[in-house]
Amino acid sequence: SQQGEEDPQALSIQEGENATMNCSYKTSINNLQWYRQNSGRGLVHLILIRSNEREKHSGRLRVTLDTSKKSSSLLITASRAADTASYFCAPHPNGSEKLVFGKGTKLTVNP
Amino acid sequence: DAGVIQSPRHEVTEMGQEVTLRCKPISGHNSLFWYRQTMMRGLELLIYFNNNVPIDDSGMPEDRFSAKMPNASFSTLKIQPSEPRDSAVYFCASSFWLAGATGELFFGEGSRLTVL
Repeated sequence: SQQGEEDPQALSIQEGENATMNCSYKTSINNLQWYRQNSGRGLVHLILIRSNEREKHSGRLRVTLDTSKKSSSLLITASRAADTASYFCAPHPNGSEKLVFGKGTKLTVNP
Repeated sequence: DAGVIQSPRHEVTEMGQEVTLRCKPISGHNSLFWYRQTMMRGLELLIYFNNNVPIDDSGMPEDRFSAKMPNASFSTLKIQPSEPRDSAVYFCASSFWLAGATGELFFGEGSRLTVL
């Protein structure tokens, strides 16, 4: 299967805490992408990590990638209520533009 | 750029009626994707095009579904006849794809379809 599998399915934390979401996949990848979906909206691209990278930062986001374990994690530091959304990982397979999504992690940040 | 534009945003129809969903990708993008999202099945890839040519339609659920891309700036997804189980949010997304490209997707806001 080409899709990523996110874990946990749901996560509830308090504002200010860190949120960690995990992704496992099965294929060889060119890169791995994370997207956010606010309720009732389309997905928005958050961050991309290439297969030859191990860690990447963007603002309060930190992404890691372990190609030997075929896994990635997304860390959101100092979470805010506005971070409440569903988060999806999308492994980008070598030589193809096809992106398949899992069911995502639903993050709730309580004020 | 205005982003990916989908219409209609909401559609309520009766079983058996034809439904046409429309998508305008971002100018300059050469790949277009149609996804369907439901609570039960999550986000499913239905079909995608590259340079207006369908590349993979293995996700199209059955013959009642068809998709076209007559030019680089327009695509349609048609359901005929519609059934209640087709009720979902349908998303269109576009990207710029070349060998070696990173292939980030840009999504529209979706078309919420309710079939009664």
